[in-house]
Amino acid sequence: EVQLLESGGGLIQPGGSLRLSCAASGFTFSSYAMTWVRQAPGKGLEWVSGIGGSGGSTYADSVKGRFTISRDNSKNTLYLQMNSLRAEDTALYYCAKGTLRSYNEFDYWGQGTLVTVSS
Amino acid sequence: DIQMTQSPSTLSASVGDRVTITCRASQSISSWLAWYQQKPGKAPKLLISKASSLESGVPSRFSGSESGTEFTLTISSLQPDDFATYYCQQYNSYPLTFGQGTKLEIK
Repeated sequence: EVQLLESGGGLIQPGGSLRLSCAASGFTFSSYAMTWVRQAPGKGLEWVSGIGGSGGSTYADSVKGRFTISRDNSKNTLYLQMNSLRAEDTALYYCAKGTLRSYNEFDYWGQGTLVTVSS
Repeated sequence: DIQMTQSPSTLSASVGDRVTITCRASQSISSWLAWYQQKPGKAPKLLISKASSLESGVPSRFSGSESGTEFTLTISSLQPDDFATYYCQQYNSYPLTFGQGTKLEIK
């Protein structure tokens, strides 16, 4: 059974840093692209960043230069390092798994970890 | 960036109704479109990929179609479990973008 378990969220002051983790199980982690999608309270879905099985990454303009996606295939874990956090980064952050057909259609999602940026 | 415009934003319907949700892309995305269902407090669930390919385990009352840059999600006969918010997502090019969502409510 595929499972994705996010952690690392919390309350952080503007300008601060957080590192989110997503522990994956139930599939060959290194074979699949992974992504982070966020959802601000009461709002829609926003793609944040994605990474291929071997490490090529892409970012939304809103986080480029501040966030870094990475993965450790030996630990079956996806990460999102978030620096220079802003109030508008407040959201529930989901990790999601790509399919074999496409990096960018997401067939399994975690339950999300909440990031709140506030002073 | 490719803009995805969903309509309607809210849809009130009854059990047994046939409903249609539309997503229009601001430019060609070929068939690189997915539909997700999200229930309150839950993660999104992939329903349809590549515009019309039904995911395994998704009921056959869900279907997707396309005409140019307009994409449609149809539920042929609404069931109580279908009341949720639906999102389209294009994955033709980066940045990936979602529609703003359609909330399907019980009439």
